[in-house]
Amino acid sequence: LAKTTQPISMDSYEGQEVNITCSHNNIATNDYITWYQQFPSQGPRFIIQGYKTKVTNEVASLFIPADRKSSTLSLPRVSLSDTAVYYCLVGGDYGGATNKLIFGTGTLLAVQP
Amino acid sequence: EAGVAQSPRYKIIEKRQSVAFWCNPISGHATLYWYQQILGQGPKLLIQFQNNGVVDDSQLPKDRFSAERLKGVDSTLKIQPAKLEDSAVYLCASSLGGVGAGWVVEQFFGPGTRLTVL
Repeated sequence: LAKTTQPISMDSYEGQEVNITCSHNNIATNDYITWYQQFPSQGPRFIIQGYKTKVTNEVASLFIPADRKSSTLSLPRVSLSDTAVYYCLVGGDYGGATNKLIFGTGTLLAVQP
Repeated sequence: EAGVAQSPRYKIIEKRQSVAFWCNPISGHATLYWYQQILGQGPKLLIQFQNNGVVDDSQLPKDRFSAERLKGVDSTLKIQPAKLEDSAVYLCASSLGGVGAGWVVEQFFGPGTRLTVL
């Protein structure tokens, strides 16, 4: 499974757009890119998943360039409640032991008023 | 829709004691996962069940950890005997099937059990 690299921490202010970039140079052809969010004392929560180009849902956008060696999670107009750890994961369904999520240390996003 | 339930939420034991955690996944979810999350790190997968069969337990310390999923629904994770380094949050997650779906299916996590080994 591809290893991912993310910044350890980021700071932002309320109302700003936040972009968290993840590097995954060894991504395989069948791998998808998934982002999870984790608040203190809670389990991770799925945010968004994509394979290529751009994916958007009600909370975030995911930008994936053509070479797929990196991806960017974009959070529009963050609020204090977006303060959390964000994990970038890469993996695919290959049959057998599938859907394995390998979490790195994630990016701690701190939103200030 | 009810989420993944776990109990207890907190547990404090002394080293060499035994402990068990319980998980009730979301109804209809065939796949169940147990993760260990040490403070400051991301969750690490310990074991994955598909219905009541083990799909992946490659990172489970089998000399002291065991897990079962009776009737393909609830699951228990046991540690016997516990060591100091087992202090962590134990997370249970579940997902709809997933094998052969192509993409990595969304996993739904419970609140976790915080274990402190003294």
